[in-house]
Amino acid sequence: GDSVTQMEGPVTLSEEAFLTINCTYTATGYPSLFWYVQYPGEGLQLLLKATKADDKGSNKGFEATYRKETTSFHLEKGSVQVSDSAVYFCALGRGSTLGRLYFGRGTQLTVWP
Amino acid sequence: DVKVTQSSRYLVKRTGEKVFLECVQDMDHENMFWYRQDPGLGLRLIYFSYDVKMKEKGDIPEGYSVSREKKERFSLILESASTNQTSMYLCASSRTGWGSTDTQYFGPGTRLTVL
Repeated sequence: GDSVTQMEGPVTLSEEAFLTINCTYTATGYPSLFWYVQYPGEGLQLLLKATKADDKGSNKGFEATYRKETTSFHLEKGSVQVSDSAVYFCALGRGSTLGRLYFGRGTQLTVWP
Repeated sequence: DVKVTQSSRYLVKRTGEKVFLECVQDMDHENMFWYRQDPGLGLRLIYFSYDVKMKEKGDIPEGYSVSREKKERFSLILESASTNQTSMYLCASSRTGWGSTDTQYFGPGTRLTVL
């Protein structure tokens, strides 16, 4: 079945460090891929998405490229800030009428000044 | 902007009580979802609905029921709350149809404690 695997945390970085959070997926066909972010005490917010192979989603300095050959959608940011401390979720959607998303378990990121 | 609201941010209930969690979205979305979020387990889908009065079980429906009488409102019901239902509950909605990418929009969450 459809599933997403993302690297386990927690991830701890110093401010201005480079960030990578790995995400791989299992699905047939051409799913849409998402990264969501959850700041402390809040719900999830869409960070970026890609709907077809080789698409790059980007937002707030974060990027992820849809790689069908490696079934991956790794999240990257060149220089993290303290305000990026949050939980990051990778997710997969099949485009069906039921609209279900399949989420990874989340990766806690803490950035120290 | 899409707005998804949940009736309470924090809720404390006693074991055996009937609990209602309400979710309202203002973007005329067809799909609505209830998740629970627990440390180390990520988001787990409880129930979802793709139309008024239609519902589908998610991965962990036991102990829960849902109601969708109007398109904008999706309620999660704990018939007899138990301590193992202490959790963060998240509601989400999404559009369906041609061109939809399944993007879900989330509410702020309800942190439920069952004593």
